[in-house]
Amino acid sequence: QKEVEQNSGPLSVPEGAIASLNCTYSDRGSQSFFWYRQYSGKSPELIMFIYSNGDKEDGRFTAQLNKASQYVSLLIRDSQPSDSATYLCAVNAKGGADGLTFGKGTHLIIQP
Amino acid sequence: DAGVIQSPRHEVTEMGQEVTLRCKPISGHDYLFWYRQTMMRGLELLIYFNNNVPIDDSGMPEDRFSAKMPNASFSTLKIQPSEPRDSAVYFCASTISSSSTDTQYFGPGTRLTVL
Repeated sequence: QKEVEQNSGPLSVPEGAIASLNCTYSDRGSQSFFWYRQYSGKSPELIMFIYSNGDKEDGRFTAQLNKASQYVSLLIRDSQPSDSATYLCAVNAKGGADGLTFGKGTHLIIQP
Repeated sequence: DAGVIQSPRHEVTEMGQEVTLRCKPISGHDYLFWYRQTMMRGLELLIYFNNNVPIDDSGMPEDRFSAKMPNASFSTLKIQPSEPRDSAVYFCASTISSSSTDTQYFGPGTRLTVL
């Protein structure tokens, strides 16, 4: 059974610091990896996606993938109070359009 | 450009009643997904369609749940009869297979409460 594990938190980070969110997955053959942000009472919205080992940067966000360790992370630099949300890690096992397996999310709090 | 549209946004019903949730995917998208989110289990895939055809319904919890996609712009998720444990937020998402990113775009969700 495919599983995606995340620390539920809450993870509290001071404003301006780096927030580090982690995720592990069980299916070694997984192809693509996504980070979604979900504000309370809202729907998930895509922050980053990554397919290859290594780092991928987009503005203040960096996604890191290590397929050998089955590990995905998201770094948020210069954290802002507006970054306070639940961050969901999602994995696509087959590649291409397919249903995603989600972790239960990490609740991030940025302290002003 | 309109995103994924879901209706109703909130539904309160009594145990044993039939519930129908509706979804309109983004125009041109050929994949449609139904997910359910609860505190205990997180966000789970129920079923997804490609070109209106169900591809994987292994996440549908039991026979009380059924989903249809009669055309490219409309899908329903039906629960009959409903039970209190069906209370959750139900999300519909869509994507297009020609996209290089496989990004799924989520609708606003339907919050279902079964009393």
